[in-house]
Amino acid sequence: GAGVSQSPSNKVTEKGKDVELRCDPISGHTALYWYRQRLGQGLEFLIYFQGNSAPDKSGLPSDRFSAERTGESVSTLTIQRTQQEDSAVYLCASSSRLAGSTDTQYFGPGTRLTVL
Amino acid sequence: GESVGLHLPTLSVQEGDNSIINCAYSNSASDYFIWYKQESGKGPQFIIDIRSNMDKRQGQRVTVLLNKTVKHLSLQIAATQPGDSAVYFCAERGTNDMRFGAGTRLTVKP
Repeated sequence: GAGVSQSPSNKVTEKGKDVELRCDPISGHTALYWYRQRLGQGLEFLIYFQGNSAPDKSGLPSDRFSAERTGESVSTLTIQRTQQEDSAVYLCASSSRLAGSTDTQYFGPGTRLTVL
Repeated sequence: GESVGLHLPTLSVQEGDNSIINCAYSNSASDYFIWYKQESGKGPQFIIDIRSNMDKRQGQRVTVLLNKTVKHLSLQIAATQPGDSAVYFCAERGTNDMRFGAGTRLTVKP
């Protein structure tokens, strides 16, 4: 596609429910990133995928958070047993991450998650 | 630990004036920096980048300055327009991620 797409754009859920967020990166981009952005704050790194390598999960805040990516395509971020503090915008970005590239990340519009 | 931060959380300028948004970083090993613009309800959008072997880089109406001596990065916007109103983030490339500051909200007054 022309850019990074994310779905849903908005998600309202009840505390304790599981949610799944989807990211479709730019075609051909080998790297994919998930970030969390709380209201009025900066971006918090969550997880990074690069090709078929093991993902860098160092930013995941708890074991309730997990993410998967199939090859170099779509990724899903799953939050289990959601808590109110999980309410935020979840942003996905992709980059070409080729040797010699500047690794510019292109962001999707985000999914706004509200946990009631 | 290493961090990227911004000096000012908000900046208000008159339409037509020049804007300067500042950023401080502490990781002297960082070799690449990006400025992003985030409009309300949208994801961050790439504006301009600079490598650590450069002091200055210009784009269309925007200039990024890098002062490695004091670990300072700035974004200059010439002839600021209402469409420039947004939150601006500087980002520093780490090992596997970009580290973002909290952002500066730029408001352009007509």
